[in-house]
Amino acid sequence: EAGVAQSPRYKIIEKRQSVAFWCNPISGHATLYWYQQILGQGPKLLIQFQNNGVVDDSQLPKDRFSAERLKGVDSTLKIQPAKLEDSAVYLCASSSKGQANNEQFFGPGTRLTVL
Amino acid sequence: QQQVKQSPQSLIVQKGGISIINCAYENTAFDYFPWYQQFPGKGPALLIAIRPDVSEKKEGRFTISFNKSAKQFSLHIMDSQPGDSATYFCAASVEDNFNKFYFGSGTKLNVKP
Repeated sequence: EAGVAQSPRYKIIEKRQSVAFWCNPISGHATLYWYQQILGQGPKLLIQFQNNGVVDDSQLPKDRFSAERLKGVDSTLKIQPAKLEDSAVYLCASSSKGQANNEQFFGPGTRLTVL
Repeated sequence: QQQVKQSPQSLIVQKGGISIINCAYENTAFDYFPWYQQFPGKGPALLIAIRPDVSEKKEGRFTISFNKSAKQFSLHIMDSQPGDSATYFCAASVEDNFNKFYFGSGTKLNVKP
């Protein structure tokens, strides 16, 4: 079974620039999550999709961050404009609704550096 | 407000020793408590998980101890090996349709040969 795919793996941008990250979840997984992991901290949920609908975006800085999940499969997370404090690893995860152990499967992440 | 508090921040253990990482939570509605292991450059991967209907769960060298009344749970790694060197995160969630995880801040474990 293929895992969660993310690209790019690394990105360096100047502040005020825009950036986009892509995630392809495990096939058949209805739920998709985007997390922000700042160095030395645990992952923080930014947004959660159930199929192509948003179920939780309470921690998403909506003035600069946006995300979509067209057709309930792939997802993109965008930051525009980026700030220095956005430097972090952005993790995508997916889970299968109804899965007994509630496991979330994580991708390798995209490391963003904002200069 | 941090929903899950984890300690210590870092831990050094000799090979063969026992590694212990502790977590505490506030929300009594939480009913699923996973531990994730993360190696550098990789995403977190599920290690072991427990539900509050049991006080202990063991899988190989990894054991979760759960104290519902104290709202605490811990990970014990027996016979720690250098290959266990990684960052460990505890988490908690309510097992509903939303399955939102609240992660601890992480513990960086270094097992010395």
